[in-house]
Amino acid sequence: GDSVTQMEGPVTLSEEAFLTINCTYTATGYPSLFWYVQYPGEGLQLLLKATKADDKGSNKGFEATYRKETTSFHLEKGSVQVSDSAVYFCALSDGETSGSRLTFGEGTQLTVNP
Amino acid sequence: KAGVTQTPRYLIKTRGQQVTLSCSPISGHRSVSWYQQTPGQGLQFLFEYFSETQRNKGNFPGRFSGRQFSNSRSEMNVSTLELGDSALYLCASSLNKGRKRTDTQYFGPGTRLTVL
Repeated sequence: GDSVTQMEGPVTLSEEAFLTINCTYTATGYPSLFWYVQYPGEGLQLLLKATKADDKGSNKGFEATYRKETTSFHLEKGSVQVSDSAVYFCALSDGETSGSRLTFGEGTQLTVNP
Repeated sequence: KAGVTQTPRYLIKTRGQQVTLSCSPISGHRSVSWYQQTPGQGLQFLFEYFSETQRNKGNFPGRFSGRQFSNSRSEMNVSTLELGDSALYLCASSLNKGRKRTDTQYFGPGTRLTVL
């Protein structure tokens, strides 16, 4: 079945540092890929998405590129802020085989210190 | 446009009881999905409803059920509660117009269920 693997956390960075959170996936079809963010006490917010190979999703300084050859969708940001502290989830949706169902990775806790 | 709303936000129940959670999707969205989030298992898919029909189901026991109304609002029910059902239950809605089934899902704030 489909699966998503994220780099193990937690990740602690200083403000203005470069961020990379690795995400790889396994899917039988051609999935859409997503990054969601969860702030304390809240639900999930969509951060960015990509629906086909080589697409780059971007939002609020975050970027991720859909790499079919390496089955990866790594999240990057050039300069993190304290307000970026949250849990980040990589997810896929394989519409052909599983409809709207999202399969999530384990989540990566990011803490940014001033 | 209002986002996905879930009620109640917090709930405390005892083992053996049943509980009903409610979700109102974004206006115009026809698909509603439910997820369970726990520290041990992470985010797991429960089921999806579209046009009042269950379209997809995760690997949960029959104690977990749901339904969708004609206005797309959805409820999920858990009967005979167990301690392990303590979790954050998240609802998500998507447009799902036509045959495209990978529309973006938008999540509500969740209902925090505690089973004592």
